[in-house]
Amino acid sequence: EAGVAQSPRYKIIEKRQSVAFWCNPISGHATLYWYQQILGQGPKLLIQFQNNGVVDDSQLPKDRFSAERLKGVDSTLKIQPAKLEDSAVYLCASSLGTGRVGTDTQYFGPGTRLTVL
Amino acid sequence: ILNVEQSPQSLHVQEGDSTNFTCSFPSSNFYALHWYRWETAKSPEALFVMTLNGDEKKKGRISATLNTKEGYSYLYIKGSQPEDSATYLCASPGVDKLIFGTGTRLQVFP
Repeated sequence: EAGVAQSPRYKIIEKRQSVAFWCNPISGHATLYWYQQILGQGPKLLIQFQNNGVVDDSQLPKDRFSAERLKGVDSTLKIQPAKLEDSAVYLCASSLGTGRVGTDTQYFGPGTRLTVL
Repeated sequence: ILNVEQSPQSLHVQEGDSTNFTCSFPSSNFYALHWYRWETAKSPEALFVMTLNGDEKKKGRISATLNTKEGYSYLYIKGSQPEDSATYLCASPGVDKLIFGTGTRLQVFP
C-alpha cells in the first residue's frame, strides 16, 4: 500500500515570497491533516479536512495560510507571504476517518522542510 | 488547554541497553494515547494507539503501558539497536484534535 506522498521535500525561500506544498493521501482515506512542526516543538494541527470539507482550521493563520482539498483527495497548503517564523517542517497525514479523531490512526508523509530567509 | 509532556527531552544509550521514557497527559476526559516513532528524513510511523487503563502493547522490542488514572504512559525499548535512533512522540486528543508532546530524541551508539 502506497503511503502519504508530499512534495517538495525541501524548500528555501526569502521572506515575503509565496510557497505551496502538495499532499497525496493514502487511497480511501477520508480525513486529511496538515501539521506544522517547529524545531523543538511537537507537531501542531493547522487544518483538518473530512473529504473536501474543513473540520478544523482554528490554528491556521488565515491572513497568510490557505489550504484546499479538491475532490476530497489531494491537498495543497499555501503560505503567502512567508515570514521568518514559518520556518518549520510541514507534515501531511491521512486517516480512514471512520472513528473519532482521537482513536483513528494517522499515517504521515515525510514532510516538507521549509526555510524562510 | 490540553498539555502533553514528555521526558526526558533526549537520551543517549549504548547498543544493547534497555531504555524507557515517559509521556504525561491530563487524566480527566481521557480517551486515547498515541505513540509515534520519527526517524530523521522519514515519515513519522504510528507505533501504538492505547485506550484502556492498564493496557500494554508490544511491537517487537518496543512496548508501552498506560495508566489513565494518573495520566502517564511509558514506552520501553529492550536491547536498543542503532536503528532505534529516532524521536519518539506521544499525542493525546484534545477537542477532536491530537495534541503532541515535544518528543524524546533517542540516540543509540554502537
